[in-house]
Amino acid sequence: AQTVTQSQPEMSVQEAETVTLSCTYDTSENNYYLFWYKQPPSRQMILVIRQEAYKQQNATENRFSVNFQKAAKSFSLKISDSQLGDTAMYFCAFMKHGAQKLVFGQGTRLTINP
Amino acid sequence: DVKVTQSSRYLVKRTGEKVFLECVQDMDHENMFWYRQDPGLGLRLIYFSYDVKMKEKGDIPEGYSVSREKKERFSLILESASTNQTSMYLCASRLGQGYNQPQHFGDGTRLSIL
Repeated sequence: AQTVTQSQPEMSVQEAETVTLSCTYDTSENNYYLFWYKQPPSRQMILVIRQEAYKQQNATENRFSVNFQKAAKSFSLKISDSQLGDTAMYFCAFMKHGAQKLVFGQGTRLTINP
Repeated sequence: DVKVTQSSRYLVKRTGEKVFLECVQDMDHENMFWYRQDPGLGLRLIYFSYDVKMKEKGDIPEGYSVSREKKERFSLILESASTNQTSMYLCASRLGQGYNQPQHFGDGTRLSIL
């Protein structure tokens, strides 16, 4: 079975700073996908960024980028030039290729301070 | 935009009651999911459905059942509610399979069992 671990329950940074959220996972699969989801205080979960395991190039979406280290089974999220609207719970998630099921980490509560 | 609507934002029920949580999506998605979200545990999959009248158990199905009589509606049923089922419940839907089809989430139902 796959497991996803987020070791930082809470983080807090100042606006405009860069912050990195950690995620590690355990799997014996070779073909899979990784995701970061954001859940703002209004509670609707939205997809931030996704990565295919067979792609070596790290995914980027505007201010959001990932550092995917397949051998180390690590998938961290970097938020550059952080904004107040980035305040949210962030969840790392794993999905095996061909599967429907997402396996989520415990979440990291990120607060951006003015 | 995909709209996933959960019938209640907050719900308070008593131990032993039969509880229904309703979820409706408006984009003709084949797949629908029910998760529960607890602090420090992230999201855990209860059940999912890949077609009308079809369902599969997730990681924590005990004490729950589901119903999908119409494609757009997926109901979660607590057969005899217990206090350990107090939690946030999230519904999601997804079109087909594949990496490029993310799950879309509802706003969640915060359920309290007294």
